[in-house]
Amino acid sequence: GQQVMQIPQYQHVQEGEDFTTYCNSSTTLSNIQWYKQRPGGHPVFLIQLVKSGEVKKQKRLTFQFGEAKKNSSLHITATQTTDVGTYFCALRAGGTSYGKLTFGQGTILTVHP
Amino acid sequence: ETGVTQSPTHLIKTRGQQVTLRCSSQSGHNTVSWYQQALGQGPQFIFQYYREEENGRGNFPPRFSGLQFPNYSSELNVNALELDDSALYLCATGSLETQYFGPGTRLLVL
Repeated sequence: GQQVMQIPQYQHVQEGEDFTTYCNSSTTLSNIQWYKQRPGGHPVFLIQLVKSGEVKKQKRLTFQFGEAKKNSSLHITATQTTDVGTYFCALRAGGTSYGKLTFGQGTILTVHP
Repeated sequence: ETGVTQSPTHLIKTRGQQVTLRCSSQSGHNTVSWYQQALGQGPQFIFQYYREEENGRGNFPPRFSGLQFPNYSSELNVNALELDDSALYLCATGSLETQYFGPGTRLLVL
């Protein structure tokens, strides 16, 4: 099945710095979802991208889907300590199997105050 | 959030035992999926139930089984527990646009 590689594995930033995580595939993706998991918590849905070149913003978070639909990124502007956690990209299966998500390895974000 | 709940929150079992984990949701979505998340890893898809039938399975052996009930609640059963089964078990429900995860059950197998 399709897989995605997520980089970097870890990112340490000072509060106020920007942060970006990338999700890459060798094949064309039909969709990509992004999740955030706080330490000790569970994945929380952030967004789904389905269109080539799509860009969506949620306050300080900007999500992009590549023109070739083979990569995606999540960018956080001016990080805050509340942004700490692991960010996962995930592929959703199609049809009635939409509950099947294939997750990337995740990027662990640490924010130093 | 759609109020996905899981029980128990924590569980300790010994190797060879059997365990049943439960998941319920207020949303009424007709799918439920189960995931295993080992420490430091991303969630791994175990299987999905759609309208009470298994509808897709990940790379997990048959000793992982499940049920979905008419009220859309669900159970995950694991037989003959192994040490490597120690993990956070997550259920999720939702739609084409999003999946809502429960808080998970942390299983420790000794």
